[in-house]
Amino acid sequence: AQTVTQSQPEMSVQEAETVTLSCTYDTSESDYYLFWYKQPPSRQMILVIRQEAYKQQNATENRFSVNFQKAAKSFSLKISDSQLGDAAMYFCAYRERNTPLVFGKGTRLSVIA
Amino acid sequence: KAGVTQTPRYLIKTRGQQVTLSCSPISGHRSVSWYQQTPGQGLQFLFEYFSETQRNKGNFPGRFSGRQFSNSRSEMNVSTLELGDSALYLCASSPDYYYEQYFGPGTRLTVT
Repeated sequence: AQTVTQSQPEMSVQEAETVTLSCTYDTSESDYYLFWYKQPPSRQMILVIRQEAYKQQNATENRFSVNFQKAAKSFSLKISDSQLGDAAMYFCAYRERNTPLVFGKGTRLSVIA
Repeated sequence: KAGVTQTPRYLIKTRGQQVTLSCSPISGHRSVSWYQQTPGQGLQFLFEYFSETQRNKGNFPGRFSGRQFSNSRSEMNVSTLELGDSALYLCASSPDYYYEQYFGPGTRLTVT
């Protein structure tokens, strides 16, 4: 079964600084999607960014970008110009065709003013 | 478009009772998935429905069941509630079963 590993249970960043959250996954498939979701204290799970495995170009969404290393099975999230509202649990998730989303355990991000 | 809605938002039940949770997906989305989130186990997949058919099922006992209606709305039912069923139950919808999922606010179930 596919697994997703987030090795950093907690991280902190100063406001306006940059932070990178790590994610690795295990799969033998070549066609799949990767996602980062954010879950703030309200518990509403919010899609931050997605990456199709067949695309070599790293996805970006405003201050959020990913570093997708397919051969290394690594999918890190970079948050630039961190804001207080970025404080949340961040989940890395993997999905291939005909299978459900598989989530990592999450990384709790604190933003220090 | 309106987002995914879940009702009720909070629920308190007694051990042994049963409960039904409801989820209305984003308009046009045909796939609905359910997840259980607990501090100890994290996010665990329950089941996924697409056009009224169960596509995938997680590793949960038969007390957990679900269904999807022709308008894509979905319900999940838990019978004979146990204390360990206390959790946040999240519903997510997507246009198809291979795309990103959009989550609802969840239903917080407490079993006493």
